[in-house]
Formats: sequence, C-alpha cells, structure tokens
Amino acid sequence: EPEVTQTPSHQVTQMGQEVILRCVPISNHLYFYWYRQILGQKVEFLVSFYNNEISEKSEIFDDQFSVERPDGSNFTLKIRSTKLEDSAMYFCASNSGGGGNQPQHFGDGTRLSIL
Amino acid sequence: GEDVEQSLFLSVREGDSSVINCTYTDSSSTYLYWYKQEPGAGLQLLTYIFSNMDMKQDQRLTVLLNKKDKHLSLRIADTQTGDSAIYFCAETLGDYKLSFGAGTTVTVRA
Repeated sequence: EPEVTQTPSHQVTQMGQEVILRCVPISNHLYFYWYRQILGQKVEFLVSFYNNEISEKSEIFDDQFSVERPDGSNFTLKIRSTKLEDSAMYFCASNSGGGGNQPQHFGDGTRLSIL
Repeated sequence: GEDVEQSLFLSVREGDSSVINCTYTDSSSTYLYWYKQEPGAGLQLLTYIFSNMDMKQDQRLTVLLNKKDKHLSLRIADTQTGDSAIYFCAETLGDYKLSFGAGTTVTVRA
C-alpha cells in the first residue's frame, strides 16, 4: 500500500540554525499538509498546500516557516531560524481531495530536537 | 467548546470491548476520523465516517456518530494487546485542516 515517507526520522539542530524537513507524499495525491505534535500535546495543523501554493495556514506558521514542492515528488518544510519551542514531532500528510473529501494519510514523522 | 475533547486514558482487559468517546466542535464537519498512534510511530488512519452516517463497521471496529450531540465513539471488539496505543479523534474544519483531540491512551491488560 502506498505511504507517505518522511526524512530524517530524527533531526537535532542548534538553536538559530535553519532546518529542512522532507516528505514524499503518496504519488497521486494533490493536497499536502504539515502538522506538528509537541511532546505530550495534541497534533496541530500548520499548513496546507495545493497547486503550488499555500491554501491555508495556522497562526503557528509564521514568517520563520516556509513550504515548497521543489520537484514532482518532494514536499518540504523549512524553519529558517529555529527556536527551542520548535522542538516537536512534525508530520507530513497528503490526500487526493481537499478537506474532508478524502482521508489524509500521514507519514511516520520527523522528531525535531532544538538544542 | 472550542476543542475536540476525549478522555485521556482507558484501561481494558484483553478480550473485552473498548469504547473511546469524542466530542467534536463543528456540526458542518464532513468527515470524522479515528487515528491510531503506537509508541514512536506516526498516525495510522484507522477508520472514518461521513457525517450523513450514524454507524460504520469495519471488522472489529465500530464507529457511532451522534450529530445532534456532536459525539463520536469508537468501539474495538475483542481488544488485543496490539491495540494498546493512543487513539485520536479528528474532525475536518473548513476546506483543508484536521483538528485533533488530545488522544486517548488505551492500555490492554492481560
């Protein structure tokens, strides 16, 4: 069964450094998402992306964050200048239809640790 | 309330049924979801229900939806040790995003 893959599984970065988290969505999916889960807290929506542009973003997704689909398969989340509070598990998701029309399928996540 | 709400913990004996409850917020949510998260793993889609349905059954899983009360439940029949995990209820908000509950940690004891 096709799945969403994320790399790396664990990323350790010094505060203030840039980090790029990578995702390969399911190949025929058109909508892409990033969520994060701070340890012990609920999963929070960050951003959705369709047709090469952001369709919705949350308050968390400030100017330090950006997303890109650099080629036909990858979907990336960049944090420009990381802060301690960016430490979390970051999940990528994709689906073939927007919103609730098709279920979102999630990757295994990247654990980001900011030192 | 403004948040999807779930009870935090459930302990169940192996072989018994588990029932996990959830209250969601948006009566216009089109689909409601249950995801399973095992330790250190990602979010596995378990099942989902369209808002015009009252019930959906999929093998050992039964989802019940009460739209009037905005209440969703997941029943796991014949609970196994492999069912020990965190279960998240999620609703669709607007066109794109999912809003998750805090998760219910299910512990299956022998």
